Amino acid sequence: DAMVIQNPRYQVTQFGKPVTLSCSQTLNHNVMYWYQQKSSQAPKLLFHYYDKDFNNEADTPDNFQSRRPNTSFCFLDIRSPGLGDAAMYLCATSSELTVSQPQHFGDGTRLSIL
Amino acid sequence: KQEVTQIPAALSVPEGENLVLNCSFTDSAIYNLQWFRQDPGKGLTSLLLIQSSQREQTSGRLNASLDKSSGRSTLYIAASQPGDSATYLCAVATYGGATNKLIFGTGTLLAVQP
Repeated sequence: DAMVIQNPRYQVTQFGKPVTLSCSQTLNHNVMYWYQQKSSQAPKLLFHYYDKDFNNEADTPDNFQSRRPNTSFCFLDIRSPGLGDAAMYLCATSSELTVSQPQHFGDGTRLSIL
Repeated sequence: KQEVTQIPAALSVPEGENLVLNCSFTDSAIYNLQWFRQDPGKGLTSLLLIQSSQREQTSGRLNASLDKSSGRSTLYIAASQPGDSATYLCAVATYGGATNKLIFGTGTLLAVQP
């Protein structure tokens, strides 16, 4: 009964080769978030969608893009991955943007760059 | 700029011991504070959420306290078990424009020895 599902769990790509990570949710939540977590570091918010409205964090590199074709799915696209982009990528959802609503996380996708 | 710090970075205790994990934050203007558990290679599981108006929350063997004025929170784990071994992260919810932003600490890696 997983509610936030990330695929694949592990992804290996080559330096500079575009890669897409997937997140789906069965909670029917309005908000979907993408976080980047490098080894032994805190998760860092990249961007979020509120319904179809996209909100990019100010320091998110242009190399990172996102798509949300419908309520259930959200994708993270990395156009030209560099070695520094190797990390765990976490997807989360919440019913609303208000701070009282908890975020529900998936199990993450660990991205390796060759 | 809000910064969240967790001390210690790692902790090893024998089974059955009670323990306390610490979290501090620099800006007391938070909406809530949340404790998460992260197992190796996995996503985040929410343990406890304390609203800014609350002093503590309890769930089973876990008790989280919040002192907003001093910028501190503690997570108390009673009668620790080997299954409690994981990384524990705290996160504060702040208002960043239109966003419900979570600012994470880097976590405390807990090992409970049988």
